[in-house]
Amino acid sequence: GEDVEQSLFLSVREGDSSVINCTYTDSSSTYLYWYKQEPGAGLQLLTYIFSNMDMKQDQRLTVLLNKKDKHLSLRIADTQTGDSAIYFCAERRPGNTDKLIFGTGTRLQVFP
Amino acid sequence: ETGVTQSPTHLIKTRGQQVTLRCSSQSGHNTVSWYQQALGQGPQFIFQYYREEENGRGNFPPRFSGLQFPNYSSELNVNALELDDSALYLCASSKTSAPVAAFGPGTRLTVL
Repeated sequence: GEDVEQSLFLSVREGDSSVINCTYTDSSSTYLYWYKQEPGAGLQLLTYIFSNMDMKQDQRLTVLLNKKDKHLSLRIADTQTGDSAIYFCAERRPGNTDKLIFGTGTRLQVFP
Repeated sequence: ETGVTQSPTHLIKTRGQQVTLRCSSQSGHNTVSWYQQALGQGPQFIFQYYREEENGRGNFPPRFSGLQFPNYSSELNVNALELDDSALYLCASSKTSAPVAAFGPGTRLTVL
């Protein structure tokens, strides 16, 4: 099916690490993405990973990709209250369009 | 570098009416995609335009149509509006086959 799956909610204490998980659908997807959406706003690209990589680190963000299990994760180190938002993973399948398939989103709540 | 802009920001229509949403691509981008994001869900791909032609479509009925202009800006038209068309409509532009698309802030459409 076309469902990219994410857990709905994650609550963490400020300063801890957050790990948001995603299971995507197509093992031939070329790129996998993480987007952040704050209330009432559009999508902000956080990071992306090419399918031939298994890890990518960008400052506080670490992306892990397990192609065998079609599993993607986003780790946010030293989580801050400003990280509270909805996080979407997305996959891009091979083909002649740039179509992204998004998950349902994980709401991250950071408490002091 | 000018990012993706969308207009209007908000719009209220009634059932059966028609609506046109507009998107200006980021400078240097030649491909435009449109997504519908219903409340509490991830964005769903509507269609993509390249060289002023539709070159990919998601699971949306024909009353969703679009245009791309020579300057790569785009319109999304929705006829015979239904209550379920209420959503945030996101436009994304990219260079063909580039891994990253830039998203606009969205137009929030409410159908009463």
